[in-house]
Amino acid sequence: AQSVTQLDSQVPVFEEAPVELRCNYSSSVSVYLFWYVQYPNQGLQLLLKYLSGSTLVESINGFEAEFNKSQTSFHLRKPSVHISDTAEYFCAVSSGAGSYQLTFGKGTKLSVIP
Amino acid sequence: DAGVIQSPRHEVTEMGQEVTLRCKPISGHNSLFWYRQTMMRGLELLIYFNNNVPIDDSGMPEDRFSAKMPNASFSTLKIQPSEPRDSAVYFCASSTNHGSGEQYFGPGTRLTVT
Repeated sequence: AQSVTQLDSQVPVFEEAPVELRCNYSSSVSVYLFWYVQYPNQGLQLLLKYLSGSTLVESINGFEAEFNKSQTSFHLRKPSVHISDTAEYFCAVSSGAGSYQLTFGKGTKLSVIP
Repeated sequence: DAGVIQSPRHEVTEMGQEVTLRCKPISGHNSLFWYRQTMMRGLELLIYFNNNVPIDDSGMPEDRFSAKMPNASFSTLKIQPSEPRDSAVYFCASSTNHGSGEQYFGPGTRLTVT
């Protein structure tokens, strides 16, 4: 069985400040890892994913996440946030190729303060 | 591609009434998922289908909920009779069998039962 823990339910941060949203997972097999973003009144959108290869993955809007196998973590970071980054962020894990399901964390609400 | 399509986007109904939510997955996707999102419980997987066959319905709350997928391009989630505690946003998502497990979400249906 897999599980995902997002330790912070809410993270307030000032505009242009850096942010880190934490995600830890547990799994007995190799995993694929994902971050989804949900803007107000919208569905979830894929932000970035780790499948294999380089442990640092980036999104087109400046977010990055690093897969750390020894710490079973996949924290999401951005060096300078914008008001438009205000959203809820979900970490998710699947047990690799052929797996049909994602296990989601409970989400972290990022609030960017002007 | 139009993405995952859900209808209606908003539904307001009275307790005891039947509610039917509809989903059209992305063409070519083999797996379809129904989720429910509430403030209290977060994102919950209700049921998922693979190649139109229900694989895991352990998340369906009770017998009042039922889901069907008569063909590869259409699925319904029905609640009969509806209760106020069913008020939530219901998301449909789809994915391929040959990818990483990445799911594509629809915009959701916001259900209010009075």
